[in-house]
Amino acid sequence: GQQLNQSPQSMFIQEGEDVSMNCTSSSIFNTWLWYKQDPGEGPVLLIALYKAGELTSNGRLTAQFGITRKDSFLNISASIPSDVGIYFCAGLRSGSARQLTFGSGTQLTVLP
Amino acid sequence: GAGVSQSPRYKVAKRGQDVALRCDPISGHVSLFWYQQALGQGPEFLTYFQNEAQLDKSGLPSDRFFAERPEGSVSTLKIQRTQQEDSAVYLCASSPDSYEQYFGPGTRLTVT
Repeated sequence: GQQLNQSPQSMFIQEGEDVSMNCTSSSIFNTWLWYKQDPGEGPVLLIALYKAGELTSNGRLTAQFGITRKDSFLNISASIPSDVGIYFCAGLRSGSARQLTFGSGTQLTVLP
Repeated sequence: GAGVSQSPRYKVAKRGQDVALRCDPISGHVSLFWYQQALGQGPEFLTYFQNEAQLDKSGLPSDRFFAERPEGSVSTLKIQRTQQEDSAVYLCASSPDSYEQYFGPGTRLTVT
């Protein structure tokens, strides 16, 4: 089963607002990845984080690798309608070879 | 360039039938992964190949599930004697031997 606690489970925001979501775990992760999934499609990689404390941006998206290596955050600034979708965090644990552990997702709805 | 492709996109099988799901990874990607995604959940790891070698199959739920990548490129996930609990989206991902995994659109399997 999954070992990442992702919150919130869903969000309804107004267009133009900023959004924050996070993932926490009781285990240490060496890599954090954030994906977005649209209905009927596979997850699309948004941001990858490799070092504790790392802060990385990709356009309006900013993600951080928590200093304890047990959490990560994703922020979306100035949301637009095409930001709608499900956002997943995924982590790679030490000793787990290459398998990703996914959170349960945050469903984002952007209201006009 | 071309991304990961999967076929068929949709498959309906009667309980007890065998199915075969195909994955064409991004050209040149060394690593290939299979994940299972239940409705409303994040993907869960099934198995991992590096070239033609299956290095991790710890996520395969039973011996009815079998995966192969004989020439280190295309991969097939086979499910024998399908059961209703096998209904899910099966996602394939490939990686250029980094920690970043790029997903295909998935195959939605429905077992009736």
